[in-house]
Amino acid sequence: GAGVSQSPSNKVTEKGKDVELRCDPISGHTALYWYRQSLGQGLEFLIYFQGNSAPDKSGLPSDRFSAERTGGSVSTLTIQRTQQEDSAVYLCASSFQPGRIYNEQFFGPGTRLTVL
Amino acid sequence: AQSVTQLDSQVPVFEEAPVELRCNYSSSVSVYLFWYVQYPNQGLQLLLKYLSGSTLVKGINGFEAEFNKSQTSFHLRKPSVHISDTAEYFCAVSAARGGSNYKLTFGKGTLLTVNP
Repeated sequence: GAGVSQSPSNKVTEKGKDVELRCDPISGHTALYWYRQSLGQGLEFLIYFQGNSAPDKSGLPSDRFSAERTGGSVSTLTIQRTQQEDSAVYLCASSFQPGRIYNEQFFGPGTRLTVL
Repeated sequence: AQSVTQLDSQVPVFEEAPVELRCNYSSSVSVYLFWYVQYPNQGLQLLLKYLSGSTLVKGINGFEAEFNKSQTSFHLRKPSVHISDTAEYFCAVSAARGGSNYKLTFGKGTLLTVNP
C-alpha cells in the first residue's frame, strides 16, 4: 500500500529561479493539502484541494506561490522567483473528503527546499 | 481562528522515565485535538486524536493524552519512554465543524530526546 509520495526529496535552487514540487496522494483520497515547515514559523497550512478545485488558498504566503491539481490526483506546488525565506520543508497530505466526519490526513515525507 | 502553544521546545529524558509534553490551545469554537510525531527525515504520523467523548485518549506506541477543556490543554504522556521515542512531537488543533475541520493549526513542536 503506497502512502503519499513527494518529489524531489531535496531541491537546491538559486534565488530568483522558479521551482515545482510534486505530490502524489494516496489512491482514492479526494482531498489534498500542502503545508510548509520552516524554522521560524513552524508548520503552516498553505492550501486545500477538494478534487481539482481549491476552496481554501488562505495559507499561500504571496502571489509567487500557486498550486494546481489535475485528474483529482497529482498536485504541483509552484514557487516563482524564489527567495531565501522560501527555504523550508514542504509537506503534502491527503485524506478522504472532509465533512461532518473527521478524516485523517496522511502526510508525505516532504520536499526540503533550499534557496541560495 | 485557533492557536496552539507547546510550552517546551526541548525535553531531554532518560530511558524508562515518564514524560509529559505540554500543549495549550486557544479557540472560540469547539475543537478537535491531535498529537503528531515526526521522526528524522520523515513525514508526520498521527499519534492520537480527541474528537469527542472520553477526555482520556490512548494512541499508538503507549502514548496517551488528556483533554482538559477548562484549562484548554491537551498534554501528551508516556509512563516509560524508549530510545526509539526520540523524535519531534507536534500538537495540533482544528475547528470541530464539518466545513473547516480539515484545517490543522500546529504548535511549534517539542523535541523529545531519550538518553540511555
